[in-house]
Amino acid sequence: AQRVTQPEKLLSVFKGAPVELKCNYSYSGSPELFWYVQYSRQRLQLLLRHISRESIKGFTADLNKGETSFHLKKPFAQEEDSAMYYCALSPSSGNTPLVFGKGTRLSVIA
Amino acid sequence: KAGVTQTPRYLIKTRGQQVTLSCSPISGHRSVSWYQQTPGQGLQFLFEYFSETQRNKGNFPGRFSGRQFSNSRSEMNVSTLELGDSALYLCASSLATGLAPEAFFGQGTRLTVV
Repeated sequence: AQRVTQPEKLLSVFKGAPVELKCNYSYSGSPELFWYVQYSRQRLQLLLRHISRESIKGFTADLNKGETSFHLKKPFAQEEDSAMYYCALSPSSGNTPLVFGKGTRLSVIA
Repeated sequence: KAGVTQTPRYLIKTRGQQVTLSCSPISGHRSVSWYQQTPGQGLQFLFEYFSETQRNKGNFPGRFSGRQFSNSRSEMNVSTLELGDSALYLCASSLATGLAPEAFFGQGTRLTVV
């Protein structure tokens, strides 16, 4: 069965400090991996996906198949990064549902 | 283009009642998925519909059901409500084609069972 684990429920960092939100997954094949973000009073939205290999709002995430991880990183946290972050996995493209981790709440302290 | 729309935004029901939630996907999206979001469990997958057919189903009891209409709009029904059904119910639509398609979420329906 597919599983996504986000070990930290809450992560607090100071503005300007580096951020790393951890995500580990369990899946025997080649997954599609995503990070979704939910800002206060906004809907859940896609932040980035590993297949795009892009940086969004300064965030990057690298898929490490050996460690089955997809950690989200940003070198310098900003106050507007405070939000709930969810790591998600899709076992294959197009026709299977997303499996979400339980989320990590990031709080950036000024 | 308009985003995913869920109605109603808030509901209060009593135990034993039944409830129907509605989701209008983004125009052109044929896949609609439903999730239950709670503080303790995060987002849990309920079911997915594609072209009016249930394509995937999560591990929820049969009291939870859904359907999709020819215009891709979807409804979710919960019968014999229990206190534990109180949650935010999210709907997401996607093109469901290509590699790693993005899921677009609605703002959710917050259901409170008393």
